[in-house]
Amino acid sequence: EVQLLESGGDLVQPGGSLKLSCAASGFTFSSYAMSWVRQAPGKGPEWVSLITGSGGSTYYADSVKGRFTTSRDNSKNTLYLQMNSLRDEDTAVYYCAKKLGVGMLGPTFDYWGQGTLVTVSS
Amino acid sequence: QSALTQPPSASGSPGQSVTISCTGTSSDVGGYNYVSWYQQHPGKAPKLMIYEVSKRPSGVPERFSGSKSGNTASLTVSGLQAEDEADYYCGSYAGSINLGVFGTGTKVTVL
Repeated sequence: EVQLLESGGDLVQPGGSLKLSCAASGFTFSSYAMSWVRQAPGKGPEWVSLITGSGGSTYYADSVKGRFTTSRDNSKNTLYLQMNSLRDEDTAVYYCAKKLGVGMLGPTFDYWGQGTLVTVSS
Repeated sequence: QSALTQPPSASGSPGQSVTISCTGTSSDVGGYNYVSWYQQHPGKAPKLMIYEVSKRPSGVPERFSGSKSGNTASLTVSGLQAEDEADYYCGSYAGSINLGVFGTGTKVTVL
């Protein structure tokens, strides 16, 4: 059974940093691109980042480019999101999500974690 | 990249059908056959219902179907059931320099 379990969400002040983790199990982690998707309260999802299966390529939304870094440790089946220079508008539930298939384009995620809440506020 | 446009709400009685639209541009919905639909119940993660415009993942009932015409994609839920009451979001590929974009969301109410 595929499972994705996020952790690391917290209350942080504007300008602060936070690192999220996503522990994966039940599939060959290194074979699939993974993403972080966030959802602000009452809003639709927003794709934050994507990392290829090997970890060799990463892509970011313009809203987080230069502030957030996605990485993965395939030996530990874990995905990470390092968030720096946090802003009020980064407040959201952050989900990690697995791509349905190799090479699939667009927001095609067949498994999501339960989400972890990041609140940016002074 | 702007969010795709969906109607805020839609409703139907049990057994009826409801169709939700998702309008984008030629740079996203209209340009590629990579439109997905998600169902989200309160407090839960989104669930993939349709991918690549009209394909259903394993386990999704056949009463969920997707289509596309020009810059507008649609999700139809036939034979509405109480458990279909949820928020629905579309998503689309938007080109190689863009991760992709989600819709504004539609709340489906089963009357």
